[in-house]
Amino acid sequence: KAGVTQTPRYLIKTRGQQVTLSCSPISGHRSVSWYQQTPGQGLQFLFEYFSETQRNKGNFPGRFSGRQFSNSRSEMNVSTLELGDSALYLCASSNGQPNTEAFFGQGTRLTVV
Amino acid sequence: AQTVTQSQPEMSVQEAETVTLSCTYDTSESDYYLFWYKQPPSRQMILVIRQEAYKQQNATENRFSVNFQKAAKSFSLKISDSQLGDAAMYFCAFNAGNMLTFGGGTRLMVKP
Repeated sequence: KAGVTQTPRYLIKTRGQQVTLSCSPISGHRSVSWYQQTPGQGLQFLFEYFSETQRNKGNFPGRFSGRQFSNSRSEMNVSTLELGDSALYLCASSNGQPNTEAFFGQGTRLTVV
Repeated sequence: AQTVTQSQPEMSVQEAETVTLSCTYDTSESDYYLFWYKQPPSRQMILVIRQEAYKQQNATENRFSVNFQKAAKSFSLKISDSQLGDAAMYFCAFNAGNMLTFGGGTRLMVKP
């Protein structure tokens, strides 16, 4: 069974640009969550999508958005990039139940210059 | 809102010895789940062990076990017979509604 796949693995963008990150969950999983990991703030929840609907949202500005497609693949978009958006962005997939394991991808390392 | 605190930024253990990583949390929820995740240098988050809050019995997975004290809101991880491959960042996490709240992490170093 293939794991969670995140693309691209590394990305360098300039301030003010926008970026789209992609996450393909484990086959059969309907929930995809996104997390931002930085040395200063640690791991923070961005949002969760379940069956193409945003079910939960963290405390991030509107520049951070996402969507989920009918095949459960998810994309995350960050517009008007700021230096502080430099981070490791992790995607996790699960069957959507809170007691089950969330399987993580290897992340996308975004650097904003 | 939930908060998760890991008070030990860094721990070290001798190979084959036992180490305990601490975690406390704060919540008003009654039904929730707790997890320990490991993040090696590859950055891949790997589930180590999980605990349902309604279960009084502490979870065990091979060399890994937890000490879950619900009243004290404490959830520590014990690693027995430590191995070099256990060296990683360890994160305690809380889940009450399909979103994980993580602690700040503990970096575990294993000395040969």
